[in-house]
Amino acid sequence: ETGVTQTPRHLVMGMTNKKSLKCEQHLGHNAMYWYKQSAKKPLELMFVYNFKEQTENNSVPSRFSPECPNSSHLFLHLHTLQPEDSALYLCASSQDPTQSYGYTFGSGTRLTVV
Amino acid sequence: TQLLEQSPQFLSIQEGENLTVYCNSSSVFSSLQWYRQEPGEGPVLLVTVVTGGEVKKLKRLTFQFGDARKDSSLHITAAQPGDTGLYLCAGVRNTDKLIFGTGTRLQVFP
Repeated sequence: ETGVTQTPRHLVMGMTNKKSLKCEQHLGHNAMYWYKQSAKKPLELMFVYNFKEQTENNSVPSRFSPECPNSSHLFLHLHTLQPEDSALYLCASSQDPTQSYGYTFGSGTRLTVV
Repeated sequence: TQLLEQSPQFLSIQEGENLTVYCNSSSVFSSLQWYRQEPGEGPVLLVTVVTGGEVKKLKRLTFQFGDARKDSSLHITAAQPGDTGLYLCAGVRNTDKLIFGTGTRLQVFP
């Protein structure tokens, strides 16, 4: 498998549920990212991991909790979300954190909070 | 404050027409990237421009980086329905952060 794979593709969850989004890349990239894409808003950077270490937390609420067990896998744990958290969550990876080679994005998880 | 403004926001054209999308900022970027995102998918990198004044061509797409490295444009010649999608510019500043533009949604009708 090549590229960046995200699962699930779609997720509907209640505000009291706990769920996790998964991202996997086998490109040999060292940096991984979570982005939130909402309607009518630019892509919002949430978290950055470089060599498994979190280097950026862009003022994200604590109901979003990232985990990076190794350089190929990235998770986003979700709990007690709000309806306004409904969005497309995109995972991306890059060869290095300077972004000089561009990002490879997954297809995203379309999240709906009810 | 949005650092990268794209215009137009929406564009609907007929197949065969030409178009230009703009990406503007008051900030200087060390490089700038363009992505295209199709419905239900993540953005896909089209090109990276690094040098002020640089022009790159990708088939019918022409990308230009402004001389001052504050702006960029994407010109599509003879648009086709397959060009439909959301076009995103993204700038790299001196820090290691990639900043995405507001996006231009293009619809090309047959």
